[in-house]
Amino acid sequence: QVQLVESGGGLVKPGGSLRLSCAASGFTFSDHYMSWIRQAPGKGLEWVSYISSSSSSYTNYADSVKGRFTISRDNAKNSLFLQMNSLRAEDTAVYYCARDGNWLDPWGQGTLVTVSS
Amino acid sequence: QSALTQPASVSGSPGQSITISCTGTSSDVGGYNYVSWYQQHPGKAPKLMIYDVSNRPSGVSNRFSGSKSGNTASLTISGLQAEDEADYYCSSYTSTSTRVFGGGTKLTVL
Repeated sequence: QVQLVESGGGLVKPGGSLRLSCAASGFTFSDHYMSWIRQAPGKGLEWVSYISSSSSSYTNYADSVKGRFTISRDNAKNSLFLQMNSLRAEDTAVYYCARDGNWLDPWGQGTLVTVSS
Repeated sequence: QSALTQPASVSGSPGQSITISCTGTSSDVGGYNYVSWYQQHPGKAPKLMIYDVSNRPSGVSNRFSGSKSGNTASLTISGLQAEDEADYYCSSYTSTSTRVFGGGTKLTVL
């Protein structure tokens, strides 16, 4: 079945870096755009970034993370990544990856990122 | 990009129908037929309920329906059931090729 599994979350100090991964299975990963979405504790969903399907990947970012986060993918390993630099307290959230086809489906179970000193 | 506007909460009794609105602008909801709706139960990942304004994915109950008029999209749940109690989010494609979510609506089944 189609499945997405995120990993790489954890506790990091303000200004630090973290790299999230999303392992995909059950579908042809290289055919699909992919997105990262986050949800701060007790808050709503916020779209973070997406990447196109091809090797010459087109990317886009929310203004809140532009210049600090970088999305990438490895189609050979069916994997999606989010490199997060210059982390701030307001980046604390559960980060989800999702297959993106102008709608988001399915979603992974999420990985928690906590930015705190 | 500003979030789409949803009511913070709605409620209804079992068997009733409720509608959740999602208001944006001509740069998102009004400009594209790429509105989707997601259901999220506490501690769980969101689940796609409606895509492209009014299409239901396989496996989603036909009690869920979507529509759009101008800059406002709507999700209607008919024959309300206890299991429908959850948070609901709308999302739209935007003119800057990004995605934007609504603030979320908490549905309470009385």
